[in-house]
Amino acid sequence: DADVTQTPRNRITKTGKRIMLECSQTKGHDRMYWYRQDPGLGLRLIYYSFDVKDINKGEISDGYSVSRQAQAKFSLSLESAIPNQTALYFCATQPPSTDTQYFGPGTRLTVL
Amino acid sequence: QKEVEQNSGPLSVPEGAIASLNCTYSDRGSQSFFWYRQYSGKSPELIMSIYSNGDKEDGRFTAQLNKASQYVSLLIRDSQPSDSATYLCAGHSGGYQKVTFGIGTKLQVIP
Repeated sequence: DADVTQTPRNRITKTGKRIMLECSQTKGHDRMYWYRQDPGLGLRLIYYSFDVKDINKGEISDGYSVSRQAQAKFSLSLESAIPNQTALYFCATQPPSTDTQYFGPGTRLTVL
Repeated sequence: QKEVEQNSGPLSVPEGAIASLNCTYSDRGSQSFFWYRQYSGKSPELIMSIYSNGDKEDGRFTAQLNKASQYVSLLIRDSQPSDSATYLCAGHSGGYQKVTFGIGTKLQVIP
């Protein structure tokens, strides 16, 4: 079984809809991250969490919110989706003892 | 200005040649550096990490770090078509700082 899973893997939605992307991990890592990836812009950090009670904004948090329901689960919400949020979204985890991040398979989101 | 800079490429090399991928960073506090490989439509996967000045070798891959010049590179020897991917350079300042990624360099290995 995959250590970091993301659901859904693909999603097409319309402008103004609320969308939730979910991330689960079985690695037992405290640190979790949400990134989006756009051609030419690379990976950009949306939100990150170092434990259940510690959530921080990244460089592009506007229009997004997150919830850390448990150590293993970190969800990303788009309250009112807009077309420029069309992107590939990755969740990542990181153990406290290293700087290495482990990525989920990604969610391709299209906002029409 | 991104803190980690990479040329987006594509970098084309013939099969069997050495591919040289380069990265510069602006944060002198960065302590650790990483190279991730990302195949099209897939997630990034770590291939090398380096923490000290000098070279670090792992199979066909060699990472090089020069903190004085704020420069990180990845050499891939005997390049194979399966090495064709985008290579992301990343830096970390340690502790509770976040990892910063470059935009990635696309490598094409021509058979």
